[in-house]
Amino acid sequence: GIQVEQSPPDLILQEGANSTLRCNFSDSVNNLQWFHQNPWGQLINLFYIPSGTKQNGRLSATTVATERYSLLYISSSQTTDSGVYFCAVPMNYGGSQGNLIFGKGTKLSVKP
Amino acid sequence: EAGVAQSPRYKIIEKRQSVAFWCNPISGHATLYWYQQILGQGPKLLIQFQNNGVVDDSQLPKDRFSAERLKGVDSTLKIQPAKLEDSAVYLCASSYPGSEQYFGPGTRLTVT
Repeated sequence: GIQVEQSPPDLILQEGANSTLRCNFSDSVNNLQWFHQNPWGQLINLFYIPSGTKQNGRLSATTVATERYSLLYISSSQTTDSGVYFCAVPMNYGGSQGNLIFGKGTKLSVKP
Repeated sequence: EAGVAQSPRYKIIEKRQSVAFWCNPISGHATLYWYQQILGQGPKLLIQFQNNGVVDDSQLPKDRFSAERLKGVDSTLKIQPAKLEDSAVYLCASSYPGSEQYFGPGTRLTVT
């Protein structure tokens, strides 16, 4: 099945710094989702991005489907950005979409 | 629009006891998923429903886990009997078929 790898596994930033998180996947995909899991365990949808670039405030994401990777950019980081960031891609069942396959996540800690 | 609802939020049981989790998806979402998230890992699918039919239950330990979605809306996941290794967060997600998935707050299960 499809493999999803995220890097780096851990990241410590000073408040105000910028960062780039990477997600590589082993097969072609129809879409990709980025999530932020907050300290209370809630998975929050960040981006639904099969290809191209999207921006939402201080966050943006780019997916290059032909090269099988996606990047999540966080600018001017804040302590509330701390948590685990997951990317996930769907299984394909003969053309229809199934469940999400998650990477192991990037644990981000933003220090004041 | 209300999000995915789950209950209970926390549950502590002894091994060999039984437990049940409830999920109410976003209104209109025909697809419902149950994922298991073990500490330090990404979520992994247990079972996927399309309306009230099972699409994929290949990763569900059927000797102890069961799930149903009788009227194509709410769903219940049951574990009987529980083992220590079932300690995890159980996440429910829903989506329109083939579209972006949204997650509930999860149920944190501790088996002692």
